[in-house]
Amino acid sequence: AQSVTQLDSQVPVFEEAPVELRCNYSSSVSVYLFWYVQYPNQGLQLLLKYLSGSTLVKGINGFEAEFNKSQTSFHLRKPSVHISDTAEYFCAVSEGTGGFKTIFGAGTRLFVKA
Amino acid sequence: GAGVSQSPRYKVAKRGQDVALRCDPISGHVSLFWYQQALGQGPEFLTYFQNEAQLDKSGLPSDRFFAERPEGSVSTLKIQRTQQEDSAVYLCASSAGTGKGDEQFFGPGTRLTVL
Repeated sequence: AQSVTQLDSQVPVFEEAPVELRCNYSSSVSVYLFWYVQYPNQGLQLLLKYLSGSTLVKGINGFEAEFNKSQTSFHLRKPSVHISDTAEYFCAVSEGTGGFKTIFGAGTRLFVKA
Repeated sequence: GAGVSQSPRYKVAKRGQDVALRCDPISGHVSLFWYQQALGQGPEFLTYFQNEAQLDKSGLPSDRFFAERPEGSVSTLKIQRTQQEDSAVYLCASSAGTGKGDEQFFGPGTRLTVL
């Protein structure tokens, strides 16, 4: 069965520092991978997604993620964060075959300090 | 254009009451999803519609939960005989196509509190 593990529930970081939010998944079939962001008092919105092809995917607001099949990971990175990046980040996976379920991780709260 | 809207935004119910939560997807979007998000957790899949057809209801936690999308646009999630464990934010999302890699556009959610 699919599952998604976000290894850090909270990540505090200073402004302009780099950040990595970790995500591991388990699945026995091919997968599609997503990162969604939820800013305070707003709905979830897509940051980036991996469907196939290049394992490094770039998203909005300077974020990128790398798909690593052997380690079943899809970590999210940004080289220099801003105060405005403070939000909840969710990793999600859907399987290429079978049902239409998308599985979300529990979320990582990124808190950027001045 | 308008995004996904949900109503009501907040709902308080006494245990045992029935509730109905509404979702208006983006116009023309074929796919519609319902999720339940408990405090401090990620969204948990409940059900999926493709137009008016409910193709996946594997996430509905019990037969007290029922969803419909009769004309392939607006959807309603109904919870009968609410229990305290039903307290959560209920999210609706829609996507333009039917592919599993399609972006989902989320509504603001309905926060249900069962007393």
